[in-house]
Amino acid sequence: RKEVEQDPGPFNVPEGATVAFNCTYSNSASQSFFWYRQDCRKEPKLLMSVYSSGNEDGRFTAQLNRASQYISLLIRDSKLSDSATYLCVVITVRREAGTALIFGKGTTLSVSS
Amino acid sequence: DAGVTQSPTHLIKTRGQHVTLRCSPISGHKSVSWYQQVLGQGPQFIFQYYEKEERGRGNFPDRFSARQFPNYSSELNVNALLLGDSALYLCASSFQGSDTQYFGPGTRLTVL
Repeated sequence: RKEVEQDPGPFNVPEGATVAFNCTYSNSASQSFFWYRQDCRKEPKLLMSVYSSGNEDGRFTAQLNRASQYISLLIRDSKLSDSATYLCVVITVRREAGTALIFGKGTTLSVSS
Repeated sequence: DAGVTQSPTHLIKTRGQHVTLRCSPISGHKSVSWYQQVLGQGPQFIFQYYEKEERGRGNFPDRFSARQFPNYSSELNVNALLLGDSALYLCASSFQGSDTQYFGPGTRLTVL
């Protein structure tokens, strides 16, 4: 089982739609959680951190359920500029490996007019 | 402020050759990590360096090595290149004690 698994894509939605991405992680000792955004042929960029209490940044809402080892990202009122690949990222501090970001495969979102 | 910089941006090599990729972290960041991203996959952790010492290693063969210099810049070396090493190699830096990593634009390596 992969350490971080995401919804298979792609998601094709019209402008204005609400879309939700899901992610599960296998290591219950995981400590930090993030969503990164990656545009085509570009580097990943931090979108937002994810907390158990949930956090919101404009049209984006992220949620963490530690009991279910589940992370979600909700995008409301989708814009054309939201088209990208969204990467679920987990940090599991391991003594041998230090701190490393563990990425999911990514889910591609395409927003059309 | 300059972000993470990497060089070269693109590179074409043939099987069996070796390659050196370079990374300069954001000013003030002492931790540098390297990731490999093959097409259609998320980035995979290769190495992390902090204060010139290796602090973490992913599941990559010994053909992959790295080092960090006193100015916190870093090099990733790959020997005996294989076709499967073709990928985007990403460098990320972070501030001491922070989980947030900032990525450079990457080096796209093609092995023929």
